[in-house]
Amino acid sequence: EAGVAQSPRYKIIEKRQSVAFWCNPISGHATLYWYQQILGQGPKLLIQFQNNGVVDDSQLPKDRFSAERLKGVDSTLKIQPAKLEDSAVYLCASSLTSGSSYNEQFFGPGTRLTVL
Amino acid sequence: AQSVTQPDIHITVSEGASLELRCNYSYGATPYLFWYVQSPGQGLQLLLKYFSGDTLVQGIKGFEAEFKRSQSSFNLRKPSVHWSDAAEYFCAVGVFWASGTYKYIFGTGTRLKVLA
Repeated sequence: EAGVAQSPRYKIIEKRQSVAFWCNPISGHATLYWYQQILGQGPKLLIQFQNNGVVDDSQLPKDRFSAERLKGVDSTLKIQPAKLEDSAVYLCASSLTSGSSYNEQFFGPGTRLTVL
Repeated sequence: AQSVTQPDIHITVSEGASLELRCNYSYGATPYLFWYVQSPGQGLQLLLKYFSGDTLVQGIKGFEAEFKRSQSSFNLRKPSVHWSDAAEYFCAVGVFWASGTYKYIFGTGTRLKVLA
């Protein structure tokens, strides 16, 4: 079974530029998560999708971050414009459903973003 | 508020020695608890999880964890560490959120170094 795919793996940009990350979850997984992991910290949930609808984006900085999950499969996370403090690893995860007790989240390898 | 504390930022052990990584959580209801491992440049891999039942949980790679409700703890243990166990370990608690979704809150992680 293929895992969660993410691209690119690494990205270096100047501040005020824009950047986009792509995630392809495990086939059949209804729930998709984007996390931000700053160096030395644990992952922090940015946004959670159930199929193609947003169920939680309370910690997403909406003035600069946006995400979509068209057709309930792939997802894209965008930052525009980027700030220095956005330097982090962006992890995508997926699970069968968010409402079940046994909803193990499977993580992709992440995208390491460096903002100069 | 819900939170997870991993008091040890770094731990160094000799290969073959025993290991215990500490995790304390704050959550008003019965928690769902997880331990993940993250190798450099990789995503998070689930080691084990606790939902209910036996408070001693066995996981992959020879790891186990014990849930102690009275201490709000879920410590990870391994009787004999291998050099390949060097990685960062994250404890997480699964909580039901006000929006009706179910999501993880991660600790800040413990980086394990193994001496040959």
